[in-house]
Amino acid sequence: RKEVEQDPGPFNVPEGATVAFNCTYSNSASQSFFWYRQDCRKEPKLLMSVYSSGNEDGRFTAQLNRASQYISLLIRDSKLSDSATYLCVVDEATNAGKSTFGDGTTLTVKP
Amino acid sequence: DTEVTQTPKHLVMGMTNKKSLKCEQHMGHRAMYWYKQKAKKPPELMFVYSYEKLSINESVPSRFSPECPNSSLLNLHLHALQPEDSALYLCASSFGQGEGYEQYFGPGTRLTVT
Repeated sequence: RKEVEQDPGPFNVPEGATVAFNCTYSNSASQSFFWYRQDCRKEPKLLMSVYSSGNEDGRFTAQLNRASQYISLLIRDSKLSDSATYLCVVDEATNAGKSTFGDGTTLTVKP
Repeated sequence: DTEVTQTPKHLVMGMTNKKSLKCEQHMGHRAMYWYKQKAKKPPELMFVYSYEKLSINESVPSRFSPECPNSSLLNLHLHALQPEDSALYLCASSFGQGEGYEQYFGPGTRLTVT
């Protein structure tokens, strides 16, 4: 079992749709969680950190469920510019500084 | 300003060459990272420096040699690489090493080994 697993995707949605990605992690002691987006042939860019209480940034909402060991990312009112690969990142509690990346989920938003 | 710069943007080198990748940040971050990313795969951690000291080496072959001359600079020295080492090499930095510190990535160096 991978340490961090994401929905395999790809997701193809029309503009304006709501789309949700899930990510599960295996280390119950993990404390820090992030979502990054990566455009084709570009570097990953931090989208948002994920806090225990959940957090929202405009059209993006991140949730953490410690009991089930998963995090989610909800994108509302999808835009063409949201097309990218979304990476779930989990910091290992036992090896500070080592981040484990999921394989990524590709989103394509179509007109 | 959350900017990490990397040079060069592209590099083509032969298997007998010696080259270096450079990374710089001026955000006052004390942790810096090297990642390798192959196409359609997530970044793979190679090295972590914390306060200019190597803290994590993910069993990277010795043909890759990291160096941290000061808190703002990180180098990756390359020697006798193999074609399978062709990849995007990403540098990242964070305020500290450990949980909760967000990493900021540079644009990467696209390396081709011929």
